[in-house]
Amino acid sequence: KAGVTQTPRYLIKTRGQQVTLSCSPISGHRSVSWYQQTPGQGLQFLFEYFSETQRNKGNFPGRFSGRQFSNSRSEMNVSTLELGDSALYLCASRDDTGELFFGEGSRLTVL
Amino acid sequence: AQSVTQPDIHITVSEGASLELRCNYSYGATPYLFWYVQSPGQGLQLLLKYFSGDTLVQGIKGFEAEFKRSQSSFNLRKPSVHWSDAAEYFCAVGVPRSSGSARQLTFGSGTQLTVLP
Repeated sequence: KAGVTQTPRYLIKTRGQQVTLSCSPISGHRSVSWYQQTPGQGLQFLFEYFSETQRNKGNFPGRFSGRQFSNSRSEMNVSTLELGDSALYLCASRDDTGELFFGEGSRLTVL
Repeated sequence: AQSVTQPDIHITVSEGASLELRCNYSYGATPYLFWYVQSPGQGLQLLLKYFSGDTLVQGIKGFEAEFKRSQSSFNLRKPSVHWSDAAEYFCAVGVPRSSGSARQLTFGSGTQLTVLP
């Protein structure tokens, strides 16, 4: 079974631009969660989607948004990028026991 | 709200030595508890988890963890460390759902493990 796939793996943007990251969960998993990882703040929960509905949301500004499609693939979008948005963005899909399976992440650098 | 504390930012051990990584949590009831490992440039891999039952949990790669309710701790142990264990380790707590799975996880700040030859 293929694992969680995140694209792109690396990207560089400039301040003010927007970015869209994609996540394909493990086949059969309906829940997708997004986390931001930075050296200063560690791992912080962004949001979780289940069956195309946002189920939980972390404490991030409205510039961070996401969605989930009928095939469970998810995207997250960050608008008006700031330098502080530079981070590793991790996606995880969840099985029925609640275990999270993480992708390798998308490393975003904002210049 | 739940929180997790990993008091050791960095630990160095010699290969073959024993290891214990500390994790303390704050939550009003018994949470679900997890340990994850992250190698450089990689995502997180689950080592083990505790939902209920036996407080000593066995995981992959020879790791185990013990849930101690009285100390609000879930420390990770390994009797003999291998050079390939060098990585960053994260403890996480999840609030149980009625369905039996965990809500979104709250992670500790991580412990970086260095293994000396």
